[in-house]
Amino acid sequence: EDQVTQSPEALRLQEGESSSLNCSYTVSGLRGLFWYRQDPGKGPEFLFTLYSAGEEKEKERLKATLTKKESFLHITAPKPEDSATYLCAVQARNSGGSNYKLTFGKGTLLTVNP
Amino acid sequence: AAGVIQSPRHLIKEKRETATLKCYPIPRHDTVYWYQQGPGQDPQFLISFYEKMQSDKGSIPDRFSAQQFSDYHSELNMSSLELGDSALYFCASSLGWQPYGYTFGSGTRLTVV
Repeated sequence: EDQVTQSPEALRLQEGESSSLNCSYTVSGLRGLFWYRQDPGKGPEFLFTLYSAGEEKEKERLKATLTKKESFLHITAPKPEDSATYLCAVQARNSGGSNYKLTFGKGTLLTVNP
Repeated sequence: AAGVIQSPRHLIKEKRETATLKCYPIPRHDTVYWYQQGPGQDPQFLISFYEKMQSDKGSIPDRFSAQQFSDYHSELNMSSLELGDSALYFCASSLGWQPYGYTFGSGTRLTVV
């Protein structure tokens, strides 16, 4: 069974204080690892997809990296508007045909104080 | 661009009542997914439909049923509601596999009292 574990559960940063979020995963063949941002009461919003170990992607203050066992979401010089829950999800390669189910981690609640 | 539309946005029901949640996928998307997210929890996969047929089933209670109609919209029917069913219910849609996973709707917040 696919499993995703995110840490820490919650993270408080001061504006400008860089840090990283961790996503450890177990999946029977990874098709893709996804990072989403979720604001309270809203649906997850896509950030990145990573496909293979060693891959990196960047978007503004965020950078996602992937190894064979985990992914990191690095936040550089965060701003208060980066405050949200960051969800990691995996999609297994063996889920073929019409089955593209995502398995989510419990998320990291990030709070950036001004 | 059109997004995934869910209705209603908020719903309050009493225990043992029935609720119906609706999802209108992005036009031309052929797959719909339903997720349940409890307070402070990760989204849990419930069920998915591809071309109006159930394609996968997750942790959906027997009290719940869902279907996808000819116009590709989907409905999640929830009967004998329990307090523990209070959650955000998200619908997402895709056209086959997409590099961003799939697009989520804004969700329906169900409160059972």
